Amino acid sequence: DAKTTQPPSMDCAEGRAANLPCNHSTISGNEYVYWYRQIHSQGPQYIIHGLKNNETNEMASLIITEDRKSSTLILPHATLRDTAVYYCIVAEGGFQGAQKLVFGQGTRLTINP
Amino acid sequence: KAGVTQTPRYLIKTRGQQVTLSCSPISGHRSVSWYQQTPGQGLQFLFEYFSETQRNKGNFPGRFSGRQFSNSRSEMNVSTLELGDSALYLCASSSYMAPLAGTGDREKLFFGSGTQLSVL
Repeated sequence: DAKTTQPPSMDCAEGRAANLPCNHSTISGNEYVYWYRQIHSQGPQYIIHGLKNNETNEMASLIITEDRKSSTLILPHATLRDTAVYYCIVAEGGFQGAQKLVFGQGTRLTINP
Repeated sequence: KAGVTQTPRYLIKTRGQQVTLSCSPISGHRSVSWYQQTPGQGLQFLFEYFSETQRNKGNFPGRFSGRQFSNSRSEMNVSTLELGDSALYLCASSSYMAPLAGTGDREKLFFGSGTQLSVL
């Protein structure tokens, strides 16, 4: 079973920041938080991952609370192409952990013009 | 560089038949993972191969099998197809060669577009 809880759907206006929450209250010390997204008819796409520090890359920012029980994915300036299902996944760190991901139902994010 | 390539894109089979799906990973990637996606169960991990060896396996019956070749290309096979095997089968590759855990491509999965299997 997935170790994360996400809202089933969210809406965001184009150009605004999209903030996607994720609860992972049972996360253990060696587990990372991964975010992937899946645009219709495509395979999932890696977005970002982190352990305890906030992370930022060209796609998004990941904010992890100090107790690591929740996190937020931030898309700073959402575009229509960001409409997708976003998956928050908790998995063991390291190479092997990253291969066998347990996907939940994710959050269906709709960006509105 | 080219992404993960899966063939065929669509496949229709009947119950009891077997099927083989193919996956070509990104050049230089040595790990290939397979996932099944259905509307009811979502994305589920099938197995992972690295250097021709199965290293991780999900909770699927023995009818689901796979292999990896020396060039890292992978195939998965499903025997005695059942209606419930209708799904999108996704292949993902990743690199083992990034320098440190927690950084680089080492822990990223790059997915193909999948093979849509319909069992009638």
